Amino acid sequence: AQSVTQLDSQVPVFEEAPVELRCNYSSSVSVYLFWYVQYPNQGLQLLLKYLSGSTLVESINGFEAEFNKSQTSFHLRKPSVHISDTAEYFCAVRAGGFKTIFGAGTRLFVKA
Amino acid sequence: DAGITQSPRYKITETGRQVTLMCHQTWSHSYMFWYRQDLGHGLRLIYYSAAADITDKGEVPDGYVVSRSKTENFPLTLESATRSQTSVYFCASSEAGRGHNSPLHFGNGTRLTVT
Repeated sequence: AQSVTQLDSQVPVFEEAPVELRCNYSSSVSVYLFWYVQYPNQGLQLLLKYLSGSTLVESINGFEAEFNKSQTSFHLRKPSVHISDTAEYFCAVRAGGFKTIFGAGTRLFVKA
Repeated sequence: DAGITQSPRYKITETGRQVTLMCHQTWSHSYMFWYRQDLGHGLRLIYYSAAADITDKGEVPDGYVVSRSKTENFPLTLESATRSQTSVYFCASSEAGRGHNSPLHFGNGTRLTVT
C-alpha cells in the first residue's frame, strides 16, 4: 500500500523569501504525484501534478516540484512567496488504481 | 454553473441521528470520492465509486453508507452519528483518465458537528 509523509506540519516564512515544502511517499508501483492547495473554508485545488516525462513540473503561479524516484520525494518549492500564498498544501499520490492518498498537510504562513 | 456542489455547508446534529450529506457534479465524471478532513490526519478516504451502482470502501468506512444510483450524485449517510464523526467532509470527482492520471476536483466541503 502507498503512503505519503509531509515532513513539516507548519512552515512560517517571510514574504519574498524562498520556501520548500517536503513530501516523501512510499509505493511499490509507479505513481502519479500531485500537490493540492487549500485556502480557508474552501475545497482543495490542484496546484501541479507529475504524471510522466520531465521530473520538474511547474504551476502557473510560480510553484515547482521535482520528482525524485531514488529518494521517493516530491518536494514543492517557490523562489519568492507572497502573502497570498498563505494556505495549506497537500501532497498526494495515486498508484495502481484511482484512489488518491493524501499527506497530513503543511500549513504555510507568509509573514509581511 | 458546472462544478461539484456539496450541501449543506454546515450541519449540527445530535448523537444517534441519521444525517445525509449531498454531493452533485455536473461534469459526468466517472469517479467520485468522499473524504473526511481532520487536523493532523489530512484527508482520509471514506468511500469511492467508479461508476453508477459501483461503490467500494476506503480507509475509514465504518459508520458510513453511500449510494450512487445516478452518475452525478453521490450522497454520504451517517447511519447513527457519533462525536468522532465531527469533521469536515469533502466530495471529489475525477475523469476516467487513461492510467488513472486525472486529478481530483473538490467541492467546498460540509462542516459537520455531532453533539
